[in-house]
Amino acid sequence: DQQVKQNSPSLSVQEGRISILNCDYTNSMFDYFLWYKKYPAEGPTFLISISSIKDKNEDGRFTVFLNKSAKHLSLHIVPSQPGDSAVYFCAASAVYGGSQGNLIFGKGTKLSVKP
Amino acid sequence: NAGVTQTPKFQVLKTGQSMTLQCAQDMNHNSMYWYRQDPGMGLRLIYYSASEGTTDKGEVPNGYNVSRLNKREFSLRLESAAPSQTSVYFCASSVDRDNYGYTFGSGTRLTVV
Repeated sequence: DQQVKQNSPSLSVQEGRISILNCDYTNSMFDYFLWYKKYPAEGPTFLISISSIKDKNEDGRFTVFLNKSAKHLSLHIVPSQPGDSAVYFCAASAVYGGSQGNLIFGKGTKLSVKP
Repeated sequence: NAGVTQTPKFQVLKTGQSMTLQCAQDMNHNSMYWYRQDPGMGLRLIYYSASEGTTDKGEVPNGYNVSRLNKREFSLRLESAAPSQTSVYFCASSVDRDNYGYTFGSGTRLTVV
């Protein structure tokens, strides 16, 4: 059973517009969420994270929103640039018995930003 | 600054052959991880090492073994490769288990025929 779901395999956006990538999760124990970006033939790179005690975290053009009641988070990129074209992975973790658990990744969303 | 280095980058194996994927990090990180990425499956954790001298199973450990050789190096071994192990393998490291700002290597693309 997939605990972290990215239901959109791909997204296409015009340069300068907003990109919104969505992620849903099923495990109510998740308390920390992250987004990773991956270019072809490279490893994923950490982008931004958010703790469950917050509902928003911003870093430059990237903002992550968390809606705990809906078990939903989203990544907003404003303005989108062609260099943002990549696969974006949502990931989550939970605390079990006082220890932080492993990261659970979604399947990824391929973002294409067109000039 | 190399970060996380994986070797080899590409490998083709015949069913039943064995091989070891090498991973080394130069960031003095305590924790290291092996993931596999399959089309439409995201990243799945195979094994991890929270600190030097310890290793633990992840989500998909069957068919693999690992060795944390020292603080820098964490290898993944396939004793008898199977076509189901065809995948892209990523090694990652982090300061410790509670720090999720993982640094990933560029991956090893393995094909088992």
